Amino acid sequence: DTAVSQTPKYLVTQMGNDKSIKCEQNLGHDTMYWYKQDSKKFLKIMFSYNNKELIINETVPNRFSPKSPDKAHLNLHINSLELGDSAVYFCASSQGPGTSAEAFFGQGTRLTVV
Amino acid sequence: GNSVTQMEGPVTLSEEAFLTINCTYTATGYPSLFWYVQYPGEGLQLLLKATKADDKGSNKGFEATYRKETTSFHLEKGSVQVSDSAVYFCALTPNSGGYQKVTFGIGTKLQVIP
Repeated sequence: DTAVSQTPKYLVTQMGNDKSIKCEQNLGHDTMYWYKQDSKKFLKIMFSYNNKELIINETVPNRFSPKSPDKAHLNLHINSLELGDSAVYFCASSQGPGTSAEAFFGQGTRLTVV
Repeated sequence: GNSVTQMEGPVTLSEEAFLTINCTYTATGYPSLFWYVQYPGEGLQLLLKATKADDKGSNKGFEATYRKETTSFHLEKGSVQVSDSAVYFCALTPNSGGYQKVTFGIGTKLQVIP
């Protein structure tokens, strides 16, 4: 019974395509996140939603658009994919935006743009 | 702004050796501090945390003590196993009210050889 699940696990696509990654959490958490992890394992936050409302939007190209249809789902749509978008994308959730809230991560989506 | 500095890896140890991974932070007030672990091909998972000064977090033989005076949260384990091979991330969330965001260090890769 996976707490945070994201699909697909692997995604290989050509430059210029549009793709989506889906994320769902069954923990009842209010806050969800998207992170990007590069080839050196550096982890960078992209977006955060609290109860379907965008609360953190880091300097990410506007080709990336998150969508939260309800508080259990946070999807990531990417337009006009570029080679530099190749990375592992992690979805995460936490009980709230509080200071000691542990984040639960999905298994990641490895995106390869060719 | 907030930041987390941790030693660059990889760290290579023999089984049963003593492990220390250094982590220092910059933040106003009293942040909460975390260590996350990422096993190969998986997402991050919480290893341990501490929410106030002098707290010691511990789990699976790992320990870290929140040192306000040195702004540090070093990870230690007395005897590592091959199964501890992973990437370890130090992280913090600030205690400044409002919506929080987790700040991660760069990650330290640990390789334990038999």
